Amino acid sequence: AQTVTQSQPEMSVQEAETVTLSCTYDTSESDYYLFWYKQPPSRQMILVIRQEAYKQQNATENRFSVNFQKAAKSFSLKISDSQLGDAAMYFCATQGGSEKLVFGKGTKLTVNP
Amino acid sequence: DSGVTQTPKHLITATGQRVTLRCSPRSGDLSVYWYQQSLDQGLQFLIQYYNGEERAKGNILERFSAQQFPDLHSELNLSSLELGDSALYFCASSAGGSNEQFFGPGTRLTVL
Repeated sequence: AQTVTQSQPEMSVQEAETVTLSCTYDTSESDYYLFWYKQPPSRQMILVIRQEAYKQQNATENRFSVNFQKAAKSFSLKISDSQLGDAAMYFCATQGGSEKLVFGKGTKLTVNP
Repeated sequence: DSGVTQTPKHLITATGQRVTLRCSPRSGDLSVYWYQQSLDQGLQFLIQYYNGEERAKGNILERFSAQQFPDLHSELNLSSLELGDSALYFCASSAGGSNEQFFGPGTRLTVL
């Protein structure tokens, strides 16, 4: 079974600053993927970034990057130069061989102007 | 716009009733996934279909059923509705395997 834990229900950041959202996971699978999804007030689920567990290099997408620590089963998301449009719920998720996504409970990010 | 469409956007019904939620996947995607997002349970996987066949089942109640039709659209049927079934129901589609899942806008179900 796979589990995902997001220990920060809420976080806040000042516009233009950097914030890191935490995620830990547990899985018995050797081949798996990790994701961060963003859910703005519109409720649309938007993929932010994806990491293949077999890749040691941390994934990066523009202002978004991850810190993937496989041994520690940690997968944190760093948002640089935060913008007002980054305000949303952020969900960490894992996917193994079964293809289903297993989500954490989410972190609500507030961006202060 | 993800390319995945879901209808209706909102649905309000009474306990004991039955409803059908519809999903059209992105063009070319063979896999359809259904997820439920509720306040107490969070986002949970319900069921997956691949090219018309059930591929995986998650925490789906026996009162719920789904199918995928030859044109690849999918329907999620919810029956004997209870107050606790009120949630946002997402459909996602992908090419299958570890390919990205694209989410539809969701159907907000309210059971009164």
